[in-house]
Amino acid sequence: DIQMTQSPSTLSASVGDRVTITCRASQSISSWLAWYQQKPGKAPKLLIYKASSLESGVPSRFSGSGSGTEFTLTISSLQPDDFATYYCQQYNSYSLTFGGGTKVEIK
Amino acid sequence: QVQLQESGPGLVKPSQTLSLTCTVSGGSISSGSYYWSWIRQPAGKGLEWIGRIYTSGSTNYNPSLKSRVTISVDTSKNQFSLKLSSVTAADTAVYYCARDILTGPSFYMDVWGKGTTVTVSS
Repeated sequence: DIQMTQSPSTLSASVGDRVTITCRASQSISSWLAWYQQKPGKAPKLLIYKASSLESGVPSRFSGSGSGTEFTLTISSLQPDDFATYYCQQYNSYSLTFGGGTKVEIK
Repeated sequence: QVQLQESGPGLVKPSQTLSLTCTVSGGSISSGSYYWSWIRQPAGKGLEWIGRIYTSGSTNYNPSLKSRVTISVDTSKNQFSLKLSSVTAADTAVYYCARDILTGPSFYMDVWGKGTTVTVSS
């Protein structure tokens, strides 16, 4: 299986901050990476696919970049609704794997 | 707007079989080139993909669970189902069903059910 490692595991930030989350793959996955947002008690919500393509309806303050083994999710100006846990997911192989998650907390 | 809803027992005894159903509404499970997945999440932990099915009946499973998992589809009811045998406390989790989008070599999930909590306990 391809292992996905996210950092940091927890991030404290304030409204208006620029936030960056990193996801690393144990082998090259080209651009086959998705990002999800999950709020407590809710299902994950797709934000980005193919590393940098924004899902319809997702605010433009979210962006993704990277290829190969290193990827980032950036929130350009953190909003109150963005405090949540974020997961990356590789889809380079039929057996999908997720990163361990990054919790974005209020500073 | 396609919606997914999980259903099934919330409590399963150890060594028994966990059975869940996902009902698809707002569209046909057979339309498009969608696959359908199950994912689970133990309390306070990350996400684990369990497996997927196409309406033809073709399946892929997580290698770590493959020996215990069966996913099936009933297109007449617009449903797909999960069976996980020989459960232990480690299988206690929120179970989600989701719609898979095939792009490139594999899939990501664009629509998720709300999830259902399954507890394994005697």
